[in-house]
Amino acid sequence: NAGVTQTPKFQVLKTGQSMTLQCAQDMNHEYMSWYRQDPGMGLRLIHYSVGAGITDQGEVPNGYNVSRSTTEDFPLRLLSAAPSQTSVYFCASSQQGLGYGYTFGSGTRLTVV
Amino acid sequence: AQKITQTQPGMFVQEKEAVTLDCTYDTSDQSYGLFWYKQPSSGEMIFLIYQGSYDEQNATEGRYSLNFQKARKSANLVISASQLGDSAMYFCAMREGQGTPLVFGKGTRLSVIA
Repeated sequence: NAGVTQTPKFQVLKTGQSMTLQCAQDMNHEYMSWYRQDPGMGLRLIHYSVGAGITDQGEVPNGYNVSRSTTEDFPLRLLSAAPSQTSVYFCASSQQGLGYGYTFGSGTRLTVV
Repeated sequence: AQKITQTQPGMFVQEKEAVTLDCTYDTSDQSYGLFWYKQPSSGEMIFLIYQGSYDEQNATEGRYSLNFQKARKSANLVISASQLGDSAMYFCAMREGQGTPLVFGKGTRLSVIA
């Protein structure tokens, strides 16, 4: 099993550009989430989904958009990149149920110049 | 208010010694789950241990144990017999009820000294 696959691993964007971070999981997990990790801030939730067609905002949703048309895929769109969005982004998925932790992708390191 | 608080930004421990990483949480739900993850310098997130709010016994996984004190809302991670490979960031996280995502603390950086 591939688990959670994120692409790309590294990306440099210019301010104002848009892009999509891809996330796919092959475990038939219902729950998927996007986090950003900044030094000293831990992992902060951007958006999450509890199933295909259902998404909700997390702690830091501004400047990001998501959709969930299939169980497998949960792309994160940066609408107009800003230097404040320079971060490491993690996608994660989980089975339904309180006792299930998330399986994480390997992360995308994004730099906005 | 923060749901997960990790008050130790960094800690040092001597190899082969035990170490406790603190975590307190805030929730009004009766049903919740607490998790610890390890993030080595390579960056991946590794699940370590889970404790459910209704579990009466403290969770254990090999050298990891979770000191769960429900009344104090604390879920400290204990690593016994520290190894150099334990040097990493450690994150405490919580999931409340059904359908909610994991919420993380800011993490503790553990350094194991030979």
